[in-house]
Amino acid sequence: NAGVTQTPKFQVLKTGQSMTLQCAQDMNHEYMSWYRQDPGMGLRLIHYSVGAGITDQGEVPNGYNVSRSTTEDFPLRLLSAAPSQTSVYFCASSRGHSKNIQYFGAGTRLSVL
Amino acid sequence: SQQGEEDPQALSIQEGENATMNCSYKTSINNLQWYRQNSGRGLVHLILIRSNEREKHSGRLRVTLDTSKKSSSLLITASRAADTASYFCATPNSGNTPLVFGKGTRLSVIA
Repeated sequence: NAGVTQTPKFQVLKTGQSMTLQCAQDMNHEYMSWYRQDPGMGLRLIHYSVGAGITDQGEVPNGYNVSRSTTEDFPLRLLSAAPSQTSVYFCASSRGHSKNIQYFGAGTRLSVL
Repeated sequence: SQQGEEDPQALSIQEGENATMNCSYKTSINNLQWYRQNSGRGLVHLILIRSNEREKHSGRLRVTLDTSKKSSSLLITASRAADTASYFCATPNSGNTPLVFGKGTRLSVIA
């Protein structure tokens, strides 16, 4: 099993550009979430999904959209990139409930100029 | 939302020494988890301790949980240079919302 796969690994955007960060898992996990990690800030939750067709906002959702059309995929869309969105983005999944063990992808390092 | 807070923020020790990291949280939990993050990588789950457990071992790792003090500790015994990483505690949030992570402890093990 590949686990949680995130693409791309690195991305540089100009202010105002849009892009989609991809996240796919092959463990048939119902629960998926997106975090961003900034120096000294720990991980902050952006959006999450408890199953296909169901998404909800986390702590820092502004500027990001998500959808969950399949169990496997949970893409994160940046609508109009801003320098404040420069960060490392992690996708995670877990079986069933959020209280279970989370499996993380390797991350996408995004720079917005 | 509640959040685990790790202490210390950074820790530097010699190879072979023990490393202890602490985590405090705010509200009742049914489990607490510890994760490790190597530089430039994703987080990897280390150990989960349930609220009815006081201590749990996994190899060189020992985790304790004191629900009366709302605190947990992670002990790494006989540390190795390869243990150099950031360590995070994570606690469940209300309902079915994702885990809440602390800011982590950066551990440096010097060979």
